Amino acid sequence: QVQLQESGPGLVKPSETLSLTCTVSGVSISSFHWSWIRQPPGRGLEWLGYGHYSGSTKYNPSFKSRLTMSVDTSKNQFSLKLSSVTSADTAVYYCARVSGYFDPWGQGTLVTVSS
Amino acid sequence: EMEMTQSPATLSVSPGERATLSCRASQSVSSDLAWYQQKPGQAPRLLIYGASTRATGVPARFSGSGSGTDFTLTISSLQSEDSALYYCQEYNRWRTFGQGTKLEIK
Repeated sequence: QVQLQESGPGLVKPSETLSLTCTVSGVSISSFHWSWIRQPPGRGLEWLGYGHYSGSTKYNPSFKSRLTMSVDTSKNQFSLKLSSVTSADTAVYYCARVSGYFDPWGQGTLVTVSS
Repeated sequence: EMEMTQSPATLSVSPGERATLSCRASQSVSSDLAWYQQKPGQAPRLLIYGASTRATGVPARFSGSGSGTDFTLTISSLQSEDSALYYCQEYNRWRTFGQGTKLEIK
């Protein structure tokens, strides 16, 4: 079955760039769109954006100027870069396959922004 | 800007009873509405898509209804394992989530 696994640094300094990777197994990454969603501690879900191997992307306007998402078909991976982070970017970051809705999801990875 | 409003914020229901969760969109989303269940420390799990279609493996006690701006998730005959946060999400405009409803089992 399709499985997703997020990976990346758990601690990022303020003003730096948060970088995460989602490794997809069980399906070719070129067959679907892929998304990043985050959840600050104790709060709700927030969609960041999605990308496709063709290079097309759609970002949440609230983050558009800070976000970059890309697909690496050779590694079956989907990546996220969020620049100029602050403490407000501390959250569990999830990747998910997009079919309009999100399914399945990775287990999530906690990223803390702190000096 | 699309907004999704869920009510109530918290719902407490006895085992075996029915729970009704609501989700309202600020603009019509047709039937492009999904529901998710999230338990502590876990990723959200898709329950319903297309407003009323159960995802694979979801028990029949979960049902969704509605279209346009008003949607309902009904859980009939509640079980203890249904205690969780429930989120709605539209995929007609952007990918907007509601703020969630916490379902507690009495």
